[in-house]
Amino acid sequence: EPEVTQTPSHQVTQMGQEVILRCVPISNHLYFYWYRQILGQKVEFLVSFYNNEISEKSEIFDDQFSVERPDGSNFTLKIRSTKLEDSAMYFCASSRTVSKGIFGYEQYFGPGTRLTVT
Amino acid sequence: KQEVTQIPAALSVPEGENLVLNCSFTDSAIYNLQWFRQDPGKGLTSLLLIQSSQREQTSGRLNASLDKSSGRSTLYIAASQPGDSATYLCAVGDSGATNKLIFGTGTLLAVQP
Repeated sequence: EPEVTQTPSHQVTQMGQEVILRCVPISNHLYFYWYRQILGQKVEFLVSFYNNEISEKSEIFDDQFSVERPDGSNFTLKIRSTKLEDSAMYFCASSRTVSKGIFGYEQYFGPGTRLTVT
Repeated sequence: KQEVTQIPAALSVPEGENLVLNCSFTDSAIYNLQWFRQDPGKGLTSLLLIQSSQREQTSGRLNASLDKSSGRSTLYIAASQPGDSATYLCAVGDSGATNKLIFGTGTLLAVQP
């Protein structure tokens, strides 16, 4: 069964460093998402991506964040200059599309990357 | 702004008991609602997806209902087992352009053998 994969599973970095989190969505999916979960808190939406551009982003997704689909399979989240408060589990998700009429398509989540900023 | 709430925050039951987890949301303009399971330090496993036009979905011992007009969903787990111990998350699919998911805080379930 196809699945979303993410690498690395755990990333430790120092404050101020750049990190790139990688995701391989399910191959025939067209919509891609990043979410994050700070320890003990809700899972929060960061950004959605379709047709090689951002379709929606949250208030969290400021200029320090960027996303890219560098080739036909990978989807990346870059944090330019990490802060202590960026420490969280980051989840990638993909969906075949958004909706068909009144039906919304299911999102499939990867296992997550735990980012620790020291 | 959509807000999703789950009660109870934590629940401990003996093995074999049937149980109900509750989810409520403030804006009925949703595409769908997904229930997830999350084990400690792990990713999100999708359990059930209910479209906004549906009333319920079943998968094995799990049954999820949706009452969009009242902004409520329940997840019913029959004959609970220790392996069901996990955090259960409810997420509503926003009816905007991207169907982004808005999550609740979760219910931590412990099933005692």
